[in-house]
Amino acid sequence: AQKVTQAQTEISVVEKEDVTLDCVYETRDTTYYLFWYKQPPSGELVFLIRRNSFDEQNEISGRYSWNFQKSTSSFNFTITASQVVDSAVYFCALSEAGAQKLVFGQGTRLTINP
Amino acid sequence: AAGVIQSPRHLIKEKRETATLKCYPIPRHDTVYWYQQGPGQDPQFLISFYEKMQSDKGSIPDRFSAQQFSDYHSELNMSSLELGDSALYFCASSWPPTSGPTHSSYEQYFGPGTRLTVT
Repeated sequence: AQKVTQAQTEISVVEKEDVTLDCVYETRDTTYYLFWYKQPPSGELVFLIRRNSFDEQNEISGRYSWNFQKSTSSFNFTITASQVVDSAVYFCALSEAGAQKLVFGQGTRLTINP
Repeated sequence: AAGVIQSPRHLIKEKRETATLKCYPIPRHDTVYWYQQGPGQDPQFLISFYEKMQSDKGSIPDRFSAQQFSDYHSELNMSSLELGDSALYFCASSWPPTSGPTHSSYEQYFGPGTRLTVT
């Protein structure tokens, strides 16, 4: 069965600090997809990234970077030089090939203080 | 770019009433998903449709039903509403598996959600 664990319930940092959000997943499938979504206070779910199980390349997009390690079943998300606008709940999610439904982690509430 | 449209954005109903939520996917997306997010919870998958057929089913109560129409929009019908049904209901859509950018069929784009309050 699929499972996603985000052990950090809440994180609070001061603006410009770097912050890493942890995500650990469980799946029996060899082909699967990992995602990060951002949910700002307004409530919508914003797609940030998708990573395929067969592509372990890390990715950087501006201040955001993602570290995918199959050996530890982790898909961590780092925000560099955090800004107040980064304050949101961040969800890690997993989808198995053929199933398509997303299984979400519990979410990490990130607060960036000025 | 066009996004997923959900209506209404807010809905207040009383216990035992019925509610219908609507979802209009991104153009050319033919797969629609419904999720329920309770207060302080993560989104939970309810049901999905691909080419107007139910493709997967999650923890959807028997009081709820859904369908996808010929224009690919979807409706979630909820009957005998209970206080515990109060939640944010999201619709998401994705590309068909056989077209669109490689593997993009697994990227789900969410609508703004419908906040349902049952009193």
